[in-house]
Amino acid sequence: SYELIQAPSVSVSPGQTASLTCSADKLGSVYVSWYQQKPGQSPVLVIFQDNKRPSGIPERFSGSNSGNTATLMITGTQAIDEGDYYCQAWDSSTVVFGGGTKLTVL
Amino acid sequence: QVHLVQSGAEVKQPGASVKVSCKASGYTFTTYGISWVRQAPGQGLEWMGWISAKKGDTNYAQNFQGRLTMTTETATNTAYLELRSLTSDDTAMYYCGRVVCGGNCWTDSWGQGTRVTVTS
Repeated sequence: SYELIQAPSVSVSPGQTASLTCSADKLGSVYVSWYQQKPGQSPVLVIFQDNKRPSGIPERFSGSNSGNTATLMITGTQAIDEGDYYCQAWDSSTVVFGGGTKLTVL
Repeated sequence: QVHLVQSGAEVKQPGASVKVSCKASGYTFTTYGISWVRQAPGQGLEWMGWISAKKGDTNYAQNFQGRLTMTTETATNTAYLELRSLTSDDTAMYYCGRVVCGGNCWTDSWGQGTRVTVTS
């Protein structure tokens, strides 16, 4: 099964681009989803199948997945984007979350 | 509009069992699956497993094999999670989510969470 590695924290200035990564051996061979979670709230799906946005998720959220790394990018980051972000790989019978990245917008 | 409403908080003693419910509305229940994820205080998300609402097929994470049961009741559009032989390590917020599959699977809507506290 996969172990998905995420940086514990990332800081970004308002208006800049945040890049959150998720790494595992040959991760590009499976689809990755990304979830945002704010304190005291349930997770929210922001990206599925590597790069698809659910309805209602702003266009500033985008995703990619190749080789050993999946990336969630937030362009023009806003204060409301602060929170924890989790990648997830779902491959047939194996499902795993990364440890999460705390995004701080300074 | 998809809506998942979970049962209320539970306090259990070590060794006991807990059963959490997740009532779905706003979509055809049997077209999707239900996943369960938990989050210990201050920790990340931990996937527990999922169940096909139509067929009842289940897939449990290895960590819970033997003490976890997921079921669904199609007459009431409700999914259940039962966890047995509780220890303090099971103290967490438990979330259900609607599973969508198309090539692979993902969870596109979540319940509000159920807090389970295991204490003597």
